[in-house]
Amino acid sequence: DTEVTQTPKHLVMGMTNKKSLKCEQHMGHRAMYWYKQKAKKPPELMFVYSYEKLSINESVPSRFSPECPNSSLLNLHLHALQPEDSALYLCASSQGGGWLGNSPLHFGNGTRLTVT
Amino acid sequence: AQTVTQSQPEMSVQEAETVTLSCTYDTSENNYYLFWYKQPPSRQMILVIRQEAYKQQNATENRFSVNFQKAAKSFSLKISDSQLGDTAMYFCASPDVQGAQKLVFGQGTRLTINP
Repeated sequence: DTEVTQTPKHLVMGMTNKKSLKCEQHMGHRAMYWYKQKAKKPPELMFVYSYEKLSINESVPSRFSPECPNSSLLNLHLHALQPEDSALYLCASSQGGGWLGNSPLHFGNGTRLTVT
Repeated sequence: AQTVTQSQPEMSVQEAETVTLSCTYDTSENNYYLFWYKQPPSRQMILVIRQEAYKQQNATENRFSVNFQKAAKSFSLKISDSQLGDTAMYFCASPDVQGAQKLVFGQGTRLTINP
């Protein structure tokens, strides 16, 4: 059982649509992450929130907009995506606000996004 | 900053055999952690095992153990008595720099356990 819950599991959207990915954890973790993973590749970091503040943005295009309403929730708002944005989007959390060594990442099952 | 390299894109073994996955890294940090993550077809990335560089003893978690060679910057994963459920992508990873929130991943090894 995963302790990080992502919805939806699958999403198909057109290039003009607006959609949101949701992530929730109830482990009391204070850092939450969005990763993008293309097939047969490792995950690529997109955003990190620490204590509900955006701490890392890996130069992600503005058509991806993260939001952290509270310490348990993380959203990724999608608008005007391109077909090359099709990928698995993984959410993760970690206990502390930094140092992954002491508090490893816990991942969700991901949302499989297809942009048509 | 860290770099992590996995040189085996795919491996395949028979059930109950022992298999070793290779990982090398390069870092300028004095202390760091190394991780092995497993990603089965269910897509969830699962932490298999972690090793702190300061610790001499190799980490072990049930059938999973590591061979950590600090001088050689090598961090291999050994899976003993392999099971069908071990079939997955395996990623070696390490924080980018000490204290970082960014993990650097290797390219992954696709492991298949055959019945």
